[in-house]
Amino acid sequence: EPEVTQTPSHQVTQMGQEVILRCVPISNHLYFYWYRQILGQKVEFLVSFYNNEISEKSEIFDDQFSVERPDGSNFTLKIRSTKLEDSAMYFCASSGLAGAGANVLTFGAGSRLTVL
Amino acid sequence: KNEVEQSPQNLTAQEGEFITINCSYSVGISALHWLQQHPGGGIVSLFMLSSGKKKHGRLIATINIQEKHSSLHITASHPRDSAVYICAVHAGGTSYGKLTFGQGTILTVHP
Repeated sequence: EPEVTQTPSHQVTQMGQEVILRCVPISNHLYFYWYRQILGQKVEFLVSFYNNEISEKSEIFDDQFSVERPDGSNFTLKIRSTKLEDSAMYFCASSGLAGAGANVLTFGAGSRLTVL
Repeated sequence: KNEVEQSPQNLTAQEGEFITINCSYSVGISALHWLQQHPGGGIVSLFMLSSGKKKHGRLIATINIQEKHSSLHITASHPRDSAVYICAVHAGGTSYGKLTFGQGTILTVHP
């Protein structure tokens, strides 16, 4: 069964450092997403990406965040200068063709980010 | 303002019991998702609904668009069903994956 792969599974970083979280979506999927879940809280949408550009982003996704698909397979989330409140589990997801297929999401296992 | 509310927040059952988890939402939606999150954190999509009812194995999901309500049922529950069950809605916008999540229902099934 195709899966979405995320690395690293856990990253510990110092406040102010840059972090890049990596995702390999399912190969024929067209839509890519990042979500985050702060410990004990709801999962929150961060950003969606289609056709090599951001299609929607939430108010959480400020100038400290960026996404890119550098090589046609990886999909990355960069946090430029991490803050304590960025500590969370970050989930990548992808979905397929337009219409009904685009609504069916496959999630990665998550990358836990701890900012000290 | 909570757009997606789930009940109960915690649910404990004995193996074999029939389980119902409810989800109410306050916005117009194009689709509703039921997701399962295991203790390790990974999220698995169970159902995507825009109307009616869907069944997969022992899991049944229903949605009533007029009442803005969905239920997830588990028949003949088993300890391996223990997980957090999350309802999430797509409330419009250009991105199908822009979901608003409920807080989750923690299900524990005892043998």
